[in-house]
Amino acid sequence: AQSVTQLDSHVSVSEGTPVLLRCNYSSSYSPSLFWYVQHPNKGLQLLLKYTSAATLVKGINGFEAEFKKSETSFHLTKPSAHMSDAAEYFCVVSLGSGGYQKVTFGTGTKLQVIP
Amino acid sequence: NAGVTQTPKFRVLKTGQSMTLLCAQDMNHEYMYWYRQDPGMGLRLIHYSVGEGTTAKGEVPDGYNVSRLKKQNFLLGLESAAPSQTSVYFCASSPTGRRTFGANVLTFGAGSRLTVL
Repeated sequence: AQSVTQLDSHVSVSEGTPVLLRCNYSSSYSPSLFWYVQHPNKGLQLLLKYTSAATLVKGINGFEAEFKKSETSFHLTKPSAHMSDAAEYFCVVSLGSGGYQKVTFGTGTKLQVIP
Repeated sequence: NAGVTQTPKFRVLKTGQSMTLLCAQDMNHEYMYWYRQDPGMGLRLIHYSVGEGTTAKGEVPDGYNVSRLKKQNFLLGLESAAPSQTSVYFCASSPTGRRTFGANVLTFGAGSRLTVL
């Protein structure tokens, strides 16, 4: 079985300050991990993915995430928030089983950026 | 290159009416998925397809049917709409579901907002 927990449903930061969105996962085997972003009234866009190579993963728009197996975490960070970062972020775990990879979404974290 | 296109974008139905949501992808992806998104619940998988002519149930399949007659299209049907099916529906596709790390990157459509009165 696999699951993913996003620890904060809402995060509010000031523009120019760091962003931390937390994600913990549970999986019997080594999963693939992803962060997706959803801007208002839009579809989901891939930010970054971890696929068992480097544990520090860089994504688009200055975001990065670090895979920590010992803590079963995959937190998303950005050094300096921009107004355009205001969106909802989803942590996703994907685990192969036969010919199908089961994909599980977290419940999402809404990021508010204050001017 | 359009990616994943969903139609319609918005629809209002009365209880008991039927409708079909269409998803089309032009990336030659094998796998296609239908999700529903509800506040505080993330995305939940309704049905998925691993190739033309095949479909399978996801987490919340009740009240929905799907068909994949052509590789590029994945249809989601509601035979008798209920207020509980008010949601935003997302279609997604991926190149493969095989156990290849990173292969299952999903490409999403922009969503279809359905309201059932």
